[in-house]
Amino acid sequence: QKEVEQNSGPLSVPEGAIASLNCTYSDRGSQSFFWYRQYSGKSPELIMFIYSNGDKEDGRFTAQLNKASQYVSLLIRDSQPSDSATYLCAVTHAGNNRKLIWGLGTSLAVNP
Amino acid sequence: DTAVSQTPKYLVTQMGNDKSIKCEQNLGHDTMYWYKQDSKKFLKIMFSYNNKELIINETVPNRFSPKSPDKAHLNLHINSLELGDSAVYFCASSQDFQTQYFGPGTRLLVL
Repeated sequence: QKEVEQNSGPLSVPEGAIASLNCTYSDRGSQSFFWYRQYSGKSPELIMFIYSNGDKEDGRFTAQLNKASQYVSLLIRDSQPSDSATYLCAVTHAGNNRKLIWGLGTSLAVNP
Repeated sequence: DTAVSQTPKYLVTQMGNDKSIKCEQNLGHDTMYWYKQDSKKFLKIMFSYNNKELIINETVPNRFSPKSPDKAHLNLHINSLELGDSAVYFCASSQDFQTQYFGPGTRLLVL
């Protein structure tokens, strides 16, 4: 079982819609959760992090964490074509919180 | 005023050669990382240094040797390059071990 799993997509949504990206993780001891965005040919950049159960909002982005079910999601409201990218989920390693474990990413395409 | 920079951006070389990639950060962070991203886009941590001390050393062939002359620099030397080493290598830095800032990447192609 992969430690951090994401649906590779592509996830295709129309402009203005809500894009929902999901991530599950295997280790209950993971404490911190991150969403990074990676445009094609570019480096990952941090969008959001979340540490506690519940929702965390930042502009059009909302991260949701459910530790009991071991999933974290990212909602993008009013999706724009510029949001088209791969979204990487990362969680801290339970035995070593200095290390992030990464998912393979979900490719998102926002269609005008 | 690039926060995390890497050189070179592209590296094309023959099998068996030795090459180095350099990374510098001007964010004042204590921790730096090397990642490998393969063709399937999987981002795998290789090494991490905190204040010049090696703190993460994943299962990586010993042909790969990191070196941190100071906390703002982290270099990666690769001996006897193999075809499977072709990938994008990202350097990153962090102050809290978790929020990481990535460099632009070095695209390595081994022929």
